Amino acid sequence: EVQLVESGGGVVQPGRSLRLSCTTSGFTFGDFVMSWFRQAPGKGLEWVGFIRNKAKGETTDYAAPVKGRFTISRDDSKSIAYLEMNNLKTEDTAVYYCTRGYSSIWGQGILVAVSS
Amino acid sequence: DIQMTQSPSSLSTSVGDRVTITCQASQDISSYLNWFQHKPGKAPKLLIYDATSLETGVPSRFSGSGSGTEFTFTINSLQPEDIATYYCQQYANVPLTFGGGTKLEIK
Repeated sequence: EVQLVESGGGVVQPGRSLRLSCTTSGFTFGDFVMSWFRQAPGKGLEWVGFIRNKAKGETTDYAAPVKGRFTISRDDSKSIAYLEMNNLKTEDTAVYYCTRGYSSIWGQGILVAVSS
Repeated sequence: DIQMTQSPSSLSTSVGDRVTITCQASQDISSYLNWFQHKPGKAPKLLIYDATSLETGVPSRFSGSGSGTEFTFTINSLQPEDIATYYCQQYANVPLTFGGGTKLEIK
């Protein structure tokens, strides 16, 4: 069974950093793009970014609101994807989801609340 | 960026009804369109990919049609467990973008 579990969320002050992890099982992690999405309170779904697999150079793309502040990485040996979030803003408050591929299978999500 | 205009934003329905949701892309996205179901506190679930293909394990009462800029999602004979918010999403271009969502409610 394919599983994706996000961890590392919580409450953080504006300007601080946080790293989310997406621990996976049930599939060959290295074969897949891994993506991150988010949903702010009362809002719709928003793409954050993705990282391609090693065969495609592990290249990344990001949404404009997070570009330059967020970094996605991966550890194929551990089947984990990461979302490093720096200089967090209140508008980054959301439930963050990781997905296998561009959006085929989703984790349950993890809450990140940015507040002073 | 490709804008996805989804309508209606909410829909009051009854069990057994046929439900239709539309999604319009601001430019041609061929068939690079997903439809998701999202229930509160749960992971979004992919129902339809490539505009018309039913994801494995998804009941056949769900279907999708369209290509280019105009797309339709249909639930035939709505079931109580189908109450959720539904989103379209294009993956033709980065940034990936979603429609605003359609929230289904029971009359």
